[in-house]
Amino acid sequence: QSVLTQPPSVSAAPGQKVTISCSGSISSIGNNYVSWYQQLPGTAPKLLIYENNKRPSGIPDRFSGSKSGTSATLAITGLQTGDEADYYCGTWDSSLSAGVFGGGTKVTVL
Amino acid sequence: EVQLVESGGGLVQPGGSLRLSCAASGFTFSSYWMHWVRQAPGKGLVWVSRINSDGRSTDYADSVKGRFTISRDNAKNTLYLQMNSLRAEDMAVYYCTRVVGLTRFDYWGQGTLVTVSS
Repeated sequence: QSVLTQPPSVSAAPGQKVTISCSGSISSIGNNYVSWYQQLPGTAPKLLIYENNKRPSGIPDRFSGSKSGTSATLAITGLQTGDEADYYCGTWDSSLSAGVFGGGTKVTVL
Repeated sequence: EVQLVESGGGLVQPGGSLRLSCAASGFTFSSYWMHWVRQAPGKGLVWVSRINSDGRSTDYADSVKGRFTISRDNAKNTLYLQMNSLRAEDMAVYYCTRVVGLTRFDYWGQGTLVTVSS
């Protein structure tokens, strides 16, 4: 069981918006930055969002992140078929002195 | 261009050992902390271990503590993961990642598969 909690799956039609929640604790999300990763089938994870809401160069602004208290959210607007992937939130847990990830959310474009 | 290339995975019997390597290029390896993250078949990402830039400080997930050892050779731009007393539950693709800050894993290798089976 993962330290961070994500919904197993979300879906929406092309062009629509999806949001993925990530719930943690004070020692994890509450006190540390959250990152989000996209993993396309058969490939390594790719950094999508860092420091809660920042995008690396090359990541379109359709992807956005936010954090409030011990939860974080990834939003994808203008959904495209190429966005079908697994998405993971991650952070550091200061109490565990360990990195922690959510269980992953599969995004399906209907 | 930043590149991380893992090697050393393969089939090993329960109780056996394996050493993974991660060759880094395209950046000043000795300036970055590095991590290992694994992913069992069909499962999610699990953090395994980290090492600071000079190799003197390490941390491990409870599930591998005492069995795995992370190390690095900054002269060779290479990260290692020595895995001993391997169990079936250690079977996974192992990724090395470069980190900025605590957990901004900005670059990942392609992964190397470790299979633990008799």
